[in-house]
Order: sequence, then C-alpha cells, then structure tokens
Amino acid sequence: DAGVTQSPTHLIKTRGQQVTLRCSPISGHKSVSWYQQVLGQGPQFIFQYYEKEERGRGNFPDRFSARQFPNYSSELNVNALLLGDSALYLCASSLDAGAFFGQGTRLTVV
Amino acid sequence: DAKTTQPNSMESNEEEPVHLPCNHSTISGTDYIHWYRQLPSQGPEYVIHGLTSNVNNRMASLAIAEDRKSSTLILHRATLRDAAVYYCIPNAGNNRKLIWGLGTSLAVNP
Repeated sequence: DAGVTQSPTHLIKTRGQQVTLRCSPISGHKSVSWYQQVLGQGPQFIFQYYEKEERGRGNFPDRFSARQFPNYSSELNVNALLLGDSALYLCASSLDAGAFFGQGTRLTVV
Repeated sequence: DAKTTQPNSMESNEEEPVHLPCNHSTISGTDYIHWYRQLPSQGPEYVIHGLTSNVNNRMASLAIAEDRKSSTLILHRATLRDAAVYYCIPNAGNNRKLIWGLGTSLAVNP
C-alpha cells in the first residue's frame, strides 16, 4: 500500500512568490495535517483537515492556507514567501491512532 | 497543552536495550502518550502510544508510570537503524495538533 505522498520533494522559490504543496493521504484516511519543520527543531503544527473541514489551525499567519478535496488529498498554500518560510513541510494522514507522515517537501526561499 | 521533558541525547550500543525517558507531569487525564521517531532526512514515524497500561508492538514497548507523569520507550535490541530523534507527545488521541518538543537524539554504536 502506498504511504503518504507529497509533491514536490524539493522546491526553490523567490521572496514574495506563492507556493502550493500537495499531499495524498493513505487510502481510507480522512484526516490530513500539515506541519512545518525548521532545521534542528521539532515539527510545528499548521493545519488539520477532516472530511474537508478545517479542524485546527496553528500559530501561523494568514499567508498560510490549506484545503482538502473530496478524495481527501490536500494542498497547502503559502503566499508572499519570506526567507523564514524555508523549511521542511510535512503532511500526515491518520485514521484513528497514530499519524503517518510523508517524506516532506523541502522549501527553500531565496 | 502538556509540556514534555526529554534528554537531549542518548547513546547505546548495537543489540543492547535502550530506555528513553519522558516526563509529562502536566498531562491531562484523557491524553494518550504517543511516541514518534524521525530518522535523518525523513518524515516522522509513528512508534507506539498508550493511555495507562504498558503497551507492546513490533517496534517497541511503552512503560507508563502509575501516576502517568512519566513514561519510558523501550527498544529491546537497538540496531543502527534505530538511530533517530525520538519524540514523546501527549495527545488527545485524535492526532489533532501534535505538539513536538526537541526530542531525544539517539546514537547507536556498532
């Protein structure tokens, strides 16, 4: 069975640009969460979606937005990129106990 | 959100048991204790979770103190592949908003 897949794996953007990251959850998982991980730190919660509805939001500015589609896949959008947005963006899907993570998208803002 | 305290780093020899401690003295009565690990350059991986009783699975064992203010993740025979950062996370069980600390970086010596 395929695990959580994220695309792209790496991305380089310029300050001020916009980026869209994509996530496909494990088949049957209806919950998708997004996390940001900067080097040397643990992941920080950004959003959780369940059945296409936002169930939780972390302490991130409004430049960050997300959505979940009817097939439970999800997109994370970040507008007006800043250098500080450079990080590994992780997507996780879950059914009940335990969240399963993708390999992440490494975003570099220059 | 419950705060956790874990050693910054630990070291073990291959094929020896490893006991990774975590203090979570402010855990709520209904929070589960989740453990995840993150291998270098990979997304986090679910290890185990429990509420009150000790738990075993194919990866590890989880020993939970009677007062639930601490827990210990036990790797029965460490392998080189177990070298990772291990995170202890109290959570309501629905994987909503996992709060990550800095974790314990485990080194395994051959």
